[in-house]
Amino acid sequence: QKEVEQNSGPLSVPEGAIASLNCTYSDRGSQSFFWYRQYSGKSPELIMSIYSNGDKEDGRFTAQLNKASQYVSLLIRDSQPSDSATYLCAVKGSGGFKTIFGAGTRLFVKA
Amino acid sequence: GAGVSQSPSNKVTEKGKDVELRCDPISGHTALYWYRQSLGQGLEFLIYFQGNSAPDKSGLPSDRFSAERTGGSVSTLTIQRTQQEDSAVYLCASSLQGPYNEQFFGPGTRLTVL
Repeated sequence: QKEVEQNSGPLSVPEGAIASLNCTYSDRGSQSFFWYRQYSGKSPELIMSIYSNGDKEDGRFTAQLNKASQYVSLLIRDSQPSDSATYLCAVKGSGGFKTIFGAGTRLFVKA
Repeated sequence: GAGVSQSPSNKVTEKGKDVELRCDPISGHTALYWYRQSLGQGLEFLIYFQGNSAPDKSGLPSDRFSAERTGGSVSTLTIQRTQQEDSAVYLCASSLQGPYNEQFFGPGTRLTVL
């Protein structure tokens, strides 16, 4: 079992729809969770971080965390073609420093 | 302020040669990470530095890879006797100390081994 798992996609949604990206992790003691966006040929950029169970909203983005289910998700509302990218889920484990990245989910937003 | 910088941005080398990749973290960030990303793949953790603590080298793929961090700031990743499978983008990231601090990435160095 991989430490951080994501569906590789591609996930295709029409412009204006909600895109839902999912991630599961294996280390039950993990403390912090991050979503990064990576455009082709570019380095990852941080979108959101979440540390407590529940939802965290920032503009069109909502991160959801369920530690009991070891599950974290990212919702993108009113998806735009500019949101087309690979989204990386990252989990900082119980040791508090090493961050494990998922393989990423490719998102396509069709105009 | 300035972000994480890496040099060179591109490096083409011949199989068997040694290469050095440089990372300059964000000022004040005590944690520094190196990752490798092969084409179309996810991020592969290589090594982590935190302050003056011994680095976590658990991700280094072979003894041809080594890294150092001088004065708690600039880091150099060295690959000896490069192989074609070493071709990838090498990404550096830095963060403040602690489990809740985000990593910020540099632009990466694209290494091509011919």
